[in-house]
Amino acid sequence: GAGVSQSPRYKVAKRGQDVALRCDPISGHVSLFWYQQALGQGPEFLTYFQNEAQLDKSGLPSDRFFAERPEGSVSTLKIQRTQQEDSAVYLCASSLAVEPVLVQEQYFGPGTRLTVT
Amino acid sequence: AQSVTQLDSHVSVSEGTPVLLRCNYSSSYSPSLFWYVQHPNKGLQLLLKYTSAATLVKGINGFEAEFKKSETSFHLTKPSAHMSDAAEYFCVAYSSASKIIFGSGTRLSIRP
Repeated sequence: GAGVSQSPRYKVAKRGQDVALRCDPISGHVSLFWYQQALGQGPEFLTYFQNEAQLDKSGLPSDRFFAERPEGSVSTLKIQRTQQEDSAVYLCASSLAVEPVLVQEQYFGPGTRLTVT
Repeated sequence: AQSVTQLDSHVSVSEGTPVLLRCNYSSSYSPSLFWYVQHPNKGLQLLLKYTSAATLVKGINGFEAEFKKSETSFHLTKPSAHMSDAAEYFCVAYSSASKIIFGSGTRLSIRP
């Protein structure tokens, strides 16, 4: 079956531009996560949704970062006024909503590599 | 604060020899621990997980890991490396308070 897909796979933005990154989770997966992975580092948690509810956004690095999942399926991570330090791979993952959520296996997409010039 | 430390950024072994990837965690309570693998241009894939049941956990592709509370370790092992094991490996800790913490990763190279 289809896994988690992300688009675009690569994005180059000029500093100050806004970008939108899309995540299509596995059908039926209620939980959705966004991570930021800087070069040579492990992923860092950004935010988490259960259906359309954003239950945790403690990892978003600034108010320039905004995520939504309006219908509880596809999610978009938006970064406003991009800065060079935003350059990273942005990973999306989904999982079944079986409590406790955090110990369930997460299925990751291939990521979107964002380069801000 | 909770943290996950992967002691080696790069490990190189010969095909057919054992693999050991080290992971230590710090936490004021027992977390759930995972190992994920990331092949180039592919998404992270779960290898195995520990959630306070058996301390020796078997995963896919012949990998296993042992949770040692006294040493706060969760090292990943495989008896015999295969060329297809070359990838980046991440140790991950989940806890209800500190959420999700990834280690910095270990790149595994396999020599023919």
